[in-house]
Amino acid sequence: GQQVMQIPQYQHVQEGEDFTTYCNSSTTLSNIQWYKQRPGGHPVFLIQLVKSGEVKKQKRLTFQFGEAKKNSSLHITATQTTDVGTYFCAGQSNTGKLIFGQGTTLQVKP
Amino acid sequence: KAGVTQTPRYLIKTRGQQVTLSCSPISGHRSVSWYQQTPGQGLQFLFEYFSETQRNKGNFPGRFSGRQFSNSRSEMNVSTLELGDSALYLCASSLTGDHQPQHFGDGTRLSIL
Repeated sequence: GQQVMQIPQYQHVQEGEDFTTYCNSSTTLSNIQWYKQRPGGHPVFLIQLVKSGEVKKQKRLTFQFGEAKKNSSLHITATQTTDVGTYFCAGQSNTGKLIFGQGTTLQVKP
Repeated sequence: KAGVTQTPRYLIKTRGQQVTLSCSPISGHRSVSWYQQTPGQGLQFLFEYFSETQRNKGNFPGRFSGRQFSNSRSEMNVSTLELGDSALYLCASSLTGDHQPQHFGDGTRLSIL
């Protein structure tokens, strides 16, 4: 069945350093979504990418969707302590099923 | 606009029992999806309901079932509970489900003793 792999599982950075998490799907996706879950909270939608090669930015966050629509990345520039949490990618196939990656937990040292 | 509401927030059961969890989606949302979240497995898709019909299903045993009512509220049932069913169960709603953001509730934390 469809699988979405996400790496790394954990990342510890010093405040001000950059951070990147990568997502790979076993099948071509119709779109990919990114979510953030703060400790003790629920996942919150960040963004959706639909087009091949699409790049979107939200302030210090840059999201990319691969040309083959099978991989994606989230890059945070100059991390802050407010960026702490777990970042999930979620790939949607043509069947409509949304499959989440395992998530990358980001810790930021002040 | 009220968010997604899940009840109860916490539940303790013993092995072999059954449990029913409830989810009220955002008003106007017709798609409701259920996920199981555990530390080791992340967010696992259980099923999605749209207009009272199960539209998608994950790879969970038949002990996990659900339904959706005409007002889009959804329930999830787990029968013959096992220790491994201890998890946070999250419900998410969206307008129609396709290519749309999922709005999550706070979840029901189920502990099996």
